[in-house]
Amino acid sequence: EAGVTQFPSHSVIEKGQTVTLRCDPISGHDNLYWYRRVMGKEIKFLLHFVKESKQDESGMPNNRFLAERTGGTYSTLKVQPAELEDSGVYFCASSLGTGRGYTFGSGTRLTVV
Amino acid sequence: AQSVTQPDIHITVSEGASLELRCNYSYGATPYLFWYVQSPGQGLQLLLKYFSGDTLVQGIKGFEAEFKRSQSSFNLRKPSVHWSDAAEYFCAVGFFKAAGNKLTFGGGTRVLVKP
Repeated sequence: EAGVTQFPSHSVIEKGQTVTLRCDPISGHDNLYWYRRVMGKEIKFLLHFVKESKQDESGMPNNRFLAERTGGTYSTLKVQPAELEDSGVYFCASSLGTGRGYTFGSGTRLTVV
Repeated sequence: AQSVTQPDIHITVSEGASLELRCNYSYGATPYLFWYVQSPGQGLQLLLKYFSGDTLVQGIKGFEAEFKRSQSSFNLRKPSVHWSDAAEYFCAVGFFKAAGNKLTFGGGTRVLVKP
């Protein structure tokens, strides 16, 4: 079984540019989550999809961040325009049900310069 | 406010020595508890989890953790550390319900293993 796949693994962009991160969950997993860890801080929840619907987006920092999950399969997280404080590692995770934990991807390291 | 605390930012341990990583949480009820590990260049891997029942939980790679309700703690242990255990370790808590199950993480503990 393939795991949760994220790409790119690294991205370096200039302030003001747009970046799109992609997450492919484990096949059949209805639940998909985005988390991020900025510069030495805690890993923080961003949002949760159930299929294509946003179940909880309470962790999205501001309206420069847009997450989508069309068709309930892969998800994208777009940052537009990127700011320096957006630098960090963005993790995606998926689960079959809403209980018992989930599987994380390897993360995308975003650097905004 | 709900929180998860990992008091030790860095721990250095000799190979073959024992390891204990501390985790304390502050919640109104007993949450579900997890330990994840992130090795260099890798994603977050689940080591073990506690939902209910036996308070001593066995995980992968020889790790175990003990839930102590009276202390609101869920400390991770390994009797004999291997060089490959050098990584960053995260404690996390969650409340799973139909509406969602986001995790709250501690700040992480970076473990260095001396030969």
